[in-house]
Amino acid sequence: AQTVTQSQPEMSVQEAETVTLSCTYDTSESDYYLFWYKQPPSRQMILVIRQEAYKQQNATENRFSVNFQKAAKSFSLKISDSQLGDAAMYFCAYRINAGGTSYGKLTFGQGTILTVHP
Amino acid sequence: KAGVTQTPRYLIKTRGQQVTLSCSPISGHRSVSWYQQTPGQGLQFLFEYFSETQRNKGNFPGRFSGRQFSNSRSEMNVSTLELGDSALYLCASSLGEWGTEAFFGQGTRLTVV
Repeated sequence: AQTVTQSQPEMSVQEAETVTLSCTYDTSESDYYLFWYKQPPSRQMILVIRQEAYKQQNATENRFSVNFQKAAKSFSLKISDSQLGDAAMYFCAYRINAGGTSYGKLTFGQGTILTVHP
Repeated sequence: KAGVTQTPRYLIKTRGQQVTLSCSPISGHRSVSWYQQTPGQGLQFLFEYFSETQRNKGNFPGRFSGRQFSNSRSEMNVSTLELGDSALYLCASSLGEWGTEAFFGQGTRLTVV
């Protein structure tokens, strides 16, 4: 079974500084997607960044970038120039790129609460 | 473009009752998935619908069921509510049969007393 592990229950960062959130996953599949979602107190899950497993290049979205290490099954999120609005729970998620029992199914980690200090 | 809309936002039900939650996906999205979020178990997949067909189901008892209508709107139903069903229920929609990105609604907070 696929599992996603986020080993940091809580992290904090000073405004304008950089923080890295860790995520590891376990799978025997070769074709899959990895995601980072942000859940602020409003509860809505917001997609931050996506990485296709077949792409070696790390995904980047403005201040957000990932370090994808496929062999190590590691997928960390780096937030640069942290802003107060980045404070939220961050979830790492995995989805197989196939049908059957993987249709629509995201497997989530337990989440990391990020606090941003002014 | 409107996002994923879930109604109601909050619900309080009594143990033994049943409840129906609604999800309207983003226009044009045909896949709808449901998740249960609790502090203890985190986010767990309930089921996924595409074109009115359930394609996948998580490991939940039969008291949890769902359906999808021809306009892609989806409902989930929980019968014989238990205290442990108290949770945030999230709905997500994706574009097409192999939609890779799931867009979530704000969820329905269900409290069972």
